[in-house]
Parts: sequence; structure tokens; C-alpha cells
Amino acid sequence: QKEVEQNSGPLSVPEGAIASLNCTYSDRVSQSFFWYRQYSGKSPELIMSIYSNGDKEDGRFTAQLNKASQYVSLLIRDSQPSDSATYLCAVRKSGGSNYKLTFGKGTLLTVNP
Amino acid sequence: EPEVTQTPSHQVTQMGQEVILRCVPISNHLYFYWYRQILGQKVEFLVSFYNNEISEKSEIFDDQFSVERPDGSNFTLKIRSTKLEDSAMYFCASRAGQGGAYEQYFGPGTRLTVT
Repeated sequence: QKEVEQNSGPLSVPEGAIASLNCTYSDRVSQSFFWYRQYSGKSPELIMSIYSNGDKEDGRFTAQLNKASQYVSLLIRDSQPSDSATYLCAVRKSGGSNYKLTFGKGTLLTVNP
Repeated sequence: EPEVTQTPSHQVTQMGQEVILRCVPISNHLYFYWYRQILGQKVEFLVSFYNNEISEKSEIFDDQFSVERPDGSNFTLKIRSTKLEDSAMYFCASRAGQGGAYEQYFGPGTRLTVT
């Protein structure tokens, strides 16, 4: 079982719609969860972090975490063409102090004007 | 806004040569990381560094790899004898570490091409 799984997409949504990106993880004791955006040929850019069950909102972005289901999602409201990118889910496992991140392969999002 | 910087942006080297990739983490951050991403694949952890020593390394980080913080600002990744399969984007990241700050911020990356 892969440690962090994401649907590779592509996920295509019209401009102004809500994009929903999903991620599941295998290690039940994972503690911290992050969403990064990566444009083609560029580095990961942190969008959201979430540590507790429930929703966390930041502007047009909402991260949702359900530790019982080992599931984390990212909603992008009012999607814009500039949101077209690959979205990476990253997980920090428990234990230790180095906090390395384990990434999924990413979901390619295309927002059509 | 403070950011992680990396040099060079692109490095081409011949197989068997040594390369040094350089990073300047965000100035008040305490934890430093190297990740790599082979084209079309996921971002993979290589090594974490804290208090002037390696705190964890992955299976990828074998004896050909080393890291160093030679001064108060730079953080380097050295590959002693490059292989074709080392061709990838290498990202440096840093984390504050104080007050439970877990977020890691990535630099723009160095594209390493081994020929």
C-alpha cells in the first residue's frame, strides 16, 4: 500500500467552479498534513497545513482532515485558470523530531476559462 | 518575504564527477532538508539536518551523498561521483522549528543533469 495516495488526474473544472482534491494516507499515527502547489518545472509551494480533524479555511482554499478515515482533502472555491497546477499532498508521520515529509504523486488540476 | 534560495538553477555534469548544490535557508530557521524529484515522479526525502548533524536520511542518501553547513547561512549537498540516475530536481527546504512550526518551505530547486 502506498504511503500517500492521490488520484493523478487530470481533474478538469470550469473557471469559477469548486475543485476538490483528495488524499489518503496509510500510517494511522500521521500527525501533520500539508498541501503544496507545484507548477510545471517549479518547486512545491505551501498552500495549507492542517493538524486537527475538521476544516481549515484560508481564502479560497479549505483543507479538510478526517484522521479516522485517514483522509485529507483540499477544496478550491472560485477556481481560476492560474490555479492550474499539480497539487501535492504531504504527510508528516509521528515520532522523531526531524519532521520529514512523505509526498503523494500529486493531482494535476486544469481550470478551463 | 523571506525565502529559500538555491544555486545553481541548472547543473550539467558528466558521470563520475562531483557536484555541490547550494542552498541558503530562511535565516531564522533551524531545520534543513534536501528532497529530490525525478522527472514525472513524486518528491522524495533525502536527508534532514539539525544542530549541525544529520537527523535522518533515506535509503537514497548513500555514501556518495553528504551534506554540510559550512557557515551560518549556507547548506550544501554534495554528490561525490554522479550517476545517470542522479539526474533530477533537487530541492532544499527549511523549517522554523520554534513553537511547533511544522511547515517546510522549499527553494526553487536545482536541476541536475548527468550525462
